[in-house]
Amino acid sequence: DVKVTQSSRYLVKRTGEKVFLECVQDMDHENMFWYRQDPGLGLRLIYFSYDVKMKEKGDIPEGYSVSREKKERFSLILESASTNQTSMYLCASHSAGGPYEQFFGPGTRLTVL
Amino acid sequence: GEDVEQSLFLSVREGDSSVINCTYTDSSSTYLYWYKQEPGAGLQLLTYIFSNMDMKQDQRLTVLLNKKDKHLSLRIADTQTGDSAIYFCAETPGGSYIPTFGRGTSLIVHP
Repeated sequence: DVKVTQSSRYLVKRTGEKVFLECVQDMDHENMFWYRQDPGLGLRLIYFSYDVKMKEKGDIPEGYSVSREKKERFSLILESASTNQTSMYLCASHSAGGPYEQFFGPGTRLTVL
Repeated sequence: GEDVEQSLFLSVREGDSSVINCTYTDSSSTYLYWYKQEPGAGLQLLTYIFSNMDMKQDQRLTVLLNKKDKHLSLRIADTQTGDSAIYFCAETPGGSYIPTFGRGTSLIVHP
């Protein structure tokens, strides 16, 4: 059974803390993505990666960074968490060839106090 | 630029058909998708359609694509309470592998 896992389902952090969100996929996918999901705004792309050590900014990269040291793992880093980063974070992956079906993790609900 | 729009809510009675609509702006889209998100979970692909098709049927699901009007719809026959979820329309522009998602339609099924 193919799977994308995320390190935490729920996370509570304080303003200014450094936060790491981990995502692992077992499908040998080349492409991995981080989204945030907010009510009424849908999914917004933060960063994506098409290969190990490669990363590209999405639509809302400010305040975030990413790391991809291994093909199966894609990490999202909040260098200094702020309250406006309270959100649901979704990781996804897909293979290099079409139809580019994305496989999603269950999400991490992050609250920044 | 690319944009995908869909209404935010749809309410139907159990046993009726549901039709969720979506419009997109990129005429070069190659694939169009419908994803389902159940409460507390990530998105899961329901179905997709290639841009050279106008219809795809899979059990209770029917996808219709009108490329001229850039309109995609998802029909769920005999809607059940278990179909209550958020449904996302998405498209992949030509030459890209990055999907653009709509904001999602919350389907509420009343008994």
